[in-house]
Amino acid sequence: GQQLNQSPQSMFIQEGEDVSMNCTSSSIFNTWLWYKQDPGEGPVLLIALYKAGELTSNGRLTAQFGITRKDSFLNISASIPSDVGIYFCAGQLTDMRFGAGTRLTVKP
Amino acid sequence: SQTIHQWPATLVQPVGSPLSLECTVEGTSNPNLYWYRQAAGRGLQLLFYSVGIGQISSEVPQNLSASRPQDRQFILSSKKLLLSDSGFYLCAWSEAGFTEAFFGQGTRLTVV
Repeated sequence: GQQLNQSPQSMFIQEGEDVSMNCTSSSIFNTWLWYKQDPGEGPVLLIALYKAGELTSNGRLTAQFGITRKDSFLNISASIPSDVGIYFCAGQLTDMRFGAGTRLTVKP
Repeated sequence: SQTIHQWPATLVQPVGSPLSLECTVEGTSNPNLYWYRQAAGRGLQLLFYSVGIGQISSEVPQNLSASRPQDRQFILSSKKLLLSDSGFYLCAWSEAGFTEAFFGQGTRLTVV
C-alpha cells in the first residue's frame, strides 16, 4: 500500500526560527496536502499541491511537490507561538493517506 | 459554502455495545467521503472511503463497518465495540476526483 514517511516526528524551536519538515513515499501521488491539527480538533488544510515541481506559499508557509511525485516538504518561516500543533502531510492517488505527523513546539 | 457535520463530539461506550457515528456534508454533490481513526498522539489511519452511494472501500479488517445511505451521509458502525476501538474518529470529504479534503471536528470515542 501507499506509505508516507514524515520527519521529523517532533521539533522544539525558539520563536522566530524557521521550520522544515518533509514527507517521502515509495509510491507516487497526484496531489500532496499539508494539514495542521490542534488538540481535540480535526486537521485543517494549509496548502494543496497538484503538480510535480510546484512551489506554493500561504503566508509564512511554503510547500513543494517533489519532481519525482514521491516527496514533499513544508517550511514555516519566522515561527510564532500559535504555530504549535501537529502537522500532517497527505498524499492522494486512489484515496488519501497521511504521514504520522510532526509535533511542533515553539518556545517564546 | 460547503460544511461538514460530525456527531457526537464525545462518546463513552461499554465494551460490547453498538456504535453509530454520523457525518453529513452540505453544499456539494457526490462528494468523496472518508472515515479516519487517530490513536492518541498518532497519525490518521484510513478506515473507509466512499466515492458514491452504496460504494464503500475498506482499508483495514476490523469490527467496524461503514454505510452511505444518502449522497452526503456517511455512517460508521459497529455491532460490538472492543476496547481497542477507542480513539478519535474523523470524517472528511473531498470533491469527486480526489482534490483536497476537509475534516469534521471529530468524535472522541472511549470504550470502557
